[in-house]
This record gives sequence, C-alpha cells and structure tokens, in this order.
Amino acid sequence: QSVLTQLPSASGTPGQRVTISCSGSSSNIGSNTVNWYQQLPGTAPKLLIYSNNQRPSGVPDRFSGSKSGTSASLAISGLQSEDEADYYCAAWDDSLNGVFGGGTKLTVL
Amino acid sequence: QLQLQESGPGLVKPSETLSLTCTVSGGSISSSSYYWGWIRQPPGKGLEWIGSVYYSGSTYYNPSLKSRVTISVDTSKKQFSLKLSSVTAADTAVYYCAISPKIAWYFDYWGQGTLVTVSS
Repeated sequence: QSVLTQLPSASGTPGQRVTISCSGSSSNIGSNTVNWYQQLPGTAPKLLIYSNNQRPSGVPDRFSGSKSGTSASLAISGLQSEDEADYYCAAWDDSLNGVFGGGTKLTVL
Repeated sequence: QLQLQESGPGLVKPSETLSLTCTVSGGSISSSSYYWGWIRQPPGKGLEWIGSVYYSGSTYYNPSLKSRVTISVDTSKKQFSLKLSSVTAADTAVYYCAISPKIAWYFDYWGQGTLVTVSS
C-alpha cells in the first residue's frame, strides 16, 4: 500500500482535459514539493512535473501540476493517444523517506 | 547529456545478495550538484525508492529497506552501486538507477532499468 494515494485508473477521449489526483499527508505533500512521472509501457519513468508545477525542458505545456494542502493534481489538456501511460506522483516525506503514489493508468478511449 | 546504464546479474538466489552497478556517462559523478539513486518496480506494480548516495559517499535509505541496503559510489570508475542482502522473491523487480538534484528530491535522468529475478 503506497503512502501517496492515487486512483488506479483514469480515462478520456482525444482532445479532452483529464485530471489525475494524488493524496498525501502533512508530512509529505503538506510540507514538501510534489513531482509527477510518466511511464510509457516497457520504458523507464520520465519526469513530467517537478516542484509542484514546473515542467522540465521538452515537456509540452499540455501538462500542468498543482498542489493544495495535502493533495496534488496533474492535468493533461488536449489529450492525445500518446499520453496513454502510467502516471506516478512522488514527494519527500519528513520521516526521511521518498514516497511514490501507486500510479494511475490513463487510457485514451 | 547525462546517461545511466545499469548492469548486474539478472537472477539471484533467495537469501543471497543482489548487486547492481550504474555507470554514468556524459557528466561527472563527482559533481556536487547531484545525488545518485536507486528505484525499483516489481512486475506490474508501482515505484519504490531504495536510496541515494552523494559523491562524498554520504547516503540515505528507505527506512523499510535500510537494514539490507548499501549504496556506494566509485568516482574513479564513474559508477555507483547497490547491494541488497538476504533477498526473497519479494525483491524481484526492475531496478532503475537515476539522478536527483542536490536541492530537491526528484529524478530527472533515469537508466533503462534491469530486471532482477530472485529464484532458486
């Protein structure tokens, strides 16, 4: 059972906006920044969002992140078929541990 | 551009020690700007941070694995290594090496990953 909670699945149609949520606690999301990773099938995770809402170079601005209290969200606008992947949130926990969410599998219908 | 490559045995027997190495290219492993880390992913499951090492050798580990984990760095070989002792089938996973900036805990460069199976 993961420290950060994500719904196991999400879906949307091409062009739609979808949101993936991540719930934590005061010791992780509540006091540290949140990062998001995209994992395409059979590949290593890729950093998508860091420090709550920053995009690394090369990540399209269709992807955006936000944080409020002990929860965070990843939004994907203009959904594309290539966005079909697993998405993981992650944050440092004040118990001196790095924690990940269980992942959300995004299906593009 | 930093590149990472994991290497090591793909099969380890129960109770033995899993040993993996990550070779760094395209940059300096002696940089004071990064931590060098290991993350694993059991088949069909999520990600788990194992631990990280600084170029100076200082380490921090996932508390749930701390008693079995050793991560070290060899700057002369541009490598850092993972040792996980007393493995069981639950340690079967794809193991990734990755880099995080010193100032924050996120991983912006990843190796391709290597599958390690624990089985007799």
